[in-house]
Amino acid sequence: DTGVSQNPRHKITKRGQNVTFRCDPISEHNRLYWYRQTLGQGPEFLTYFQNEAQLEKSRLLSDRFSAERPKGSFSTLEIQRTEQGDSAMYLCASSPTRGVQETQYFGPGTRLLVL
Amino acid sequence: RKEVEQDPGPFNVPEGATVAFNCTYSNSASQSFFWYRQDCRKEPKLLMSVYSSGNEDGRFTAQLNRASQYISLLIRDSKLSDSATYLCVVPNTGTASKLTFGTGTRLQVTL
Repeated sequence: DTGVSQNPRHKITKRGQNVTFRCDPISEHNRLYWYRQTLGQGPEFLTYFQNEAQLEKSRLLSDRFSAERPKGSFSTLEIQRTEQGDSAMYLCASSPTRGVQETQYFGPGTRLLVL
Repeated sequence: RKEVEQDPGPFNVPEGATVAFNCTYSNSASQSFFWYRQDCRKEPKLLMSVYSSGNEDGRFTAQLNRASQYISLLIRDSKLSDSATYLCVVPNTGTASKLTFGTGTRLQVTL
């Protein structure tokens, strides 16, 4: 399967715990994006990487959230001291660098439930 | 005004019907637009891109009205398999970064 993959697919955690999600983009895609989607809403942008550089962060990304893409391939999104309001689907997307706006291909998402 | 607005629906239509969704956007500088389809508990998948006045792909037609800043999606001869949420998407202008999604319009096609 050459699509975007995300792990884990589901995560249940207790409030206050730290969680980390992983995203493996389509190979050779330089751009990687994280979005968050809550029930009844469209995905909301969190952050974006061009290779290993984090170029944009949403104000939704509080100081409890951190994302990395250390070698310009896979990326991790960590949430520290989780809160119930963090419960959502976390989606990763990737796109090639051939133009200003290329199609973003989404992974299956990680569904987080904070109890 | 929200950056991207859609009627959340649901739109309940019989098989074979024609249905249209509208989406309005606030940034008049936006040049390109997308419709994504999202099935229940699945990831969004690109349905159509709209770069000029419109685009047609089989039973699906997307139209753009820049003067009024809205995009529409028309589905002809609806199939049961068209049941999904349709997300209107406006890319950020300038550098390649975020997509701004509408809340989505839910379509339910029935027998």
